[in-house]
Amino acid sequence: DAMVIQNPRYQVTQFGKPVTLSCSQTLNHNVMYWYQQKSSQAPKLLFHYYDKDFNNEADTPDNFQSRRPNTSFCFLDIRSPGLGDAAMYLCATSRTPRTTNEKLFFGSGTQLSVL
Amino acid sequence: DAKTTQPNSMESNEEEPVHLPCNHSTISGTDYIHWYRQLPSQGPEYVIHGLTSNVNNRMASLAIAEDRKSSTLILHRATLRDAAVYYCILRSGSGGGADGLTFGKGTHLIIQP
Repeated sequence: DAMVIQNPRYQVTQFGKPVTLSCSQTLNHNVMYWYQQKSSQAPKLLFHYYDKDFNNEADTPDNFQSRRPNTSFCFLDIRSPGLGDAAMYLCATSRTPRTTNEKLFFGSGTQLSVL
Repeated sequence: DAKTTQPNSMESNEEEPVHLPCNHSTISGTDYIHWYRQLPSQGPEYVIHGLTSNVNNRMASLAIAEDRKSSTLILHRATLRDAAVYYCILRSGSGGGADGLTFGKGTHLIIQP
């Protein structure tokens, strides 16, 4: 089945050690999103790609970067993880952005722990 | 995007219908009403969406008030697998709406066996 796949499911990193989370999709969607979800909170949008066009949310820290080398893959890089960056990171896709009738497809998430 | 208000939590019994309310009094004429749910340790999944008319699919029904200031997600026969956080989200049709989805706090649905 076509889907959004996130690897790994669980990631442990050390304070200050760069970490990369990956997302792939077989839906051939144009838009890929990264959300951060802290414990008992709602998901919060960090940024998204529309094709190769990168769109950062205004309050996303500079510590978070993203790369999209092709349609299928998108990466979330955390340059210097702090304890406050421990969270579930969710990848999602949609065919187009800002289309009110479109639905988003989410991966299962990567749970990041920072020691 | 316009704001939605949902109860923090609701409890229901297995095999009974569940009605999850959502208030969106500042909804604009072109805003779609979307519902997503998030099972424990999973990413959110799409449930249903609508504009003005009531909608049905295999997962649920969406009842939209005539003035569109509120809506209700209906699970016709809840199972234990329906225990999740349910998010009611408005997607702006004004062209200036946010990309992606803006999640509120949602309703934590508890299903008792």
